[in-house]
Amino acid sequence: ETGVTQTPRHLVMGMTNKKSLKCEQHLGHNAMYWYKQSAKKPLELMFVYNFKEQTENNSVPSRFSPECPNSSHLFLHLHTLQPEDSALYLCASSQAGDHVADTQYFGPGTRLTVL
Amino acid sequence: RKEVEQDPGPFNVPEGATVAFNCTYSNSASQSFFWYRQDCRKEPKLLMSVYSSGNEDGRFTAQLNRASQYISLLIRDSKLSDSATYLCVVSIYNQGGKLIFGQGTELSVKP
Repeated sequence: ETGVTQTPRHLVMGMTNKKSLKCEQHLGHNAMYWYKQSAKKPLELMFVYNFKEQTENNSVPSRFSPECPNSSHLFLHLHTLQPEDSALYLCASSQAGDHVADTQYFGPGTRLTVL
Repeated sequence: RKEVEQDPGPFNVPEGATVAFNCTYSNSASQSFFWYRQDCRKEPKLLMSVYSSGNEDGRFTAQLNRASQYISLLIRDSKLSDSATYLCVVSIYNQGGKLIFGQGTELSVKP
């Protein structure tokens, strides 16, 4: 149904593990986003990529490392996470990130648990 | 002050009821406004954009008051399938498509 896919859908990792989240959009968009959604909190924007270039880093700790090899793929590399990083990580895409009215389409998210 | 603030909820209403959600935003440079819907354990999906003149889509009516920095969503004749969390979202002029989300208002429609 969705034009934005994310894998894995669920991930449990220890604090010393290294893992990666993957996002792919099939909509021909040029902007991609990572959001974090914690329980009872608003969605928090983490990173924005426009035409493969990072245009926003919302003061995200360096233990989260994004990578955008092309306009269709976005990764979030995770290492030495903390239990408070447990959350739903959502990827989104839009036509181009310089147009404020562009609709963002979300993937189903990866539910991450850090033990 | 939160950038986007919504009614705390949850709202529990019977089928057929009319329910209104309120939202205020703090940044006067906010330019575009949206309501997203998020079902339990699913991703947010755009419900409707909000225009200055107000707009309607079936049972849903959105209003914007720029002077008061206030947005509303009215749902008429609510259905069981309307049960979800409704997210008020704004984007700021000249911030490259960045969306600011409210914390959401949960709606539960009961038979």
